[in-house]
Amino acid sequence: QSVLTQPASVSGSPGQSVTISCTGTSSDVGGYKYVSWYQHHPGKAPKVIIYDVSNRPSGVSNRFSGSKSGNTASLTISGLQAEDEADYYCSSYKGSTLYVFGTGTEVTVL
Amino acid sequence: EVQLVESGGGLAQPGGSLRLSCAASGFSFSTFNMKWVRQAPGKGLEWVSHISGSSATIYYADSVKGRFTVSRDNAKNSLYLQMNSLRAEDTAVYFCTRESSGTWYLEYWGQGTLVTVS
Repeated sequence: QSVLTQPASVSGSPGQSVTISCTGTSSDVGGYKYVSWYQHHPGKAPKVIIYDVSNRPSGVSNRFSGSKSGNTASLTISGLQAEDEADYYCSSYKGSTLYVFGTGTEVTVL
Repeated sequence: EVQLVESGGGLAQPGGSLRLSCAASGFSFSTFNMKWVRQAPGKGLEWVSHISGSSATIYYADSVKGRFTVSRDNAKNSLYLQMNSLRAEDTAVYFCTRESSGTWYLEYWGQGTLVTVS
């Protein structure tokens, strides 16, 4: 099945900002406003941190922000903290109640 | 508090079967779409199956179509995944997820159950 393309890894020092891109097509990312981002600490349940491109669920830090331009969505983590070290996945609705996921990005806090 | 607890994972031989269960609590189970998502070792997330609240709509990824069957028992607040004709490439952690209401994203996830086919 098709997947969205993310960088394999990004890193930054505490306090810095990092941005993760998520590139799809006009059939998914570009065609809907339903891009979501998930934080996954291995061994734990993934957690949604952004939905509908730029909305944060209650309780999620405002250091996480999302945006979209054309077929590419982006997640920015500002003020990087040690606890942000995790895997991040984007996802897009693609119609008929179905979703496609990104390849995943490992965030390392230096 | 919404909780999703998967069970039923384990070791199966190629060609064998396993049945995963997901016990849901803390919400009106019958009113939400549910999905199974898996993650193979060292790989990303992959959507596996979808079932609507009333079981009227069911979808499968091409990789499992014809081998896996998703079902739910709303009286027991439970979701199931019957996996037959298992292959080595089905080895993964399987997550039970609840879809959001009113928009499109996976709002809640279980911690997953590991299926190993070897």
